[in-house]
Amino acid sequence: GAGVSQSPRYKVAKRGQDVALRCDPISGHVSLFWYQQALGQGPEFLTYFQNEAQLDKSGLPSDRFFAERPEGSVSTLKIQRTQQEDSAVYLCASSTRTGSRAAEYFGPGTRLTVT
Amino acid sequence: QKEVEQNSGPLSVPEGAIASLNCTYSDRGSQSFFWYRQYSGKSPELIMFIYSNGDKEDGRFTAQLNKASQYVSLLIRDSQPSDSATYLCAVRRGSTLGRLYFGRGTQLTVWP
Repeated sequence: GAGVSQSPRYKVAKRGQDVALRCDPISGHVSLFWYQQALGQGPEFLTYFQNEAQLDKSGLPSDRFFAERPEGSVSTLKIQRTQQEDSAVYLCASSTRTGSRAAEYFGPGTRLTVT
Repeated sequence: QKEVEQNSGPLSVPEGAIASLNCTYSDRGSQSFFWYRQYSGKSPELIMFIYSNGDKEDGRFTAQLNKASQYVSLLIRDSQPSDSATYLCAVRRGSTLGRLYFGRGTQLTVWP
């Protein structure tokens, strides 16, 4: 595909359920990022992969959040025992290069609503 | 103090005017600066990036960077109603390769 894709686009979960959000980066992009965006706010960093290695997970808000990218392409963000405060748009971005000048391109996002 | 500060607006300009969007950042070691446009209900779309002091022009957009003042701006010339969106400033620090720090965005409305 031409861009980053994410699925599902919308997810409604009952409090306490586990959810899994998928990201397909642009083919060949080595860097993959997850961000969380609350309404009216800018995206907040969650985690960063370079190929299959998770190089930075400092933004994950709790141990209920887990991300993986086992083969260096598709990534999954998993949230266990969802809480209402997890309701947000989860954005995935990828980049063709590493380093400070790498530009990130975003997918459409997954809107998670926890009821 | 937040890493990246933006005036949340809203900023309202008439069609054809110049829209000026501003951003300040706290880390002097920041190396790369990005402007994203986000339409309501959509994801951020990269429109400009700048690494060196001075101006960088791309069509109707000009990014300006002043590292001494820790200030980045985006000028939109000949503003169009289709430019109405939230503009996000993002910064990559030199010490933390990978992650971007975003401001909360400035909402721009261009009225016909």
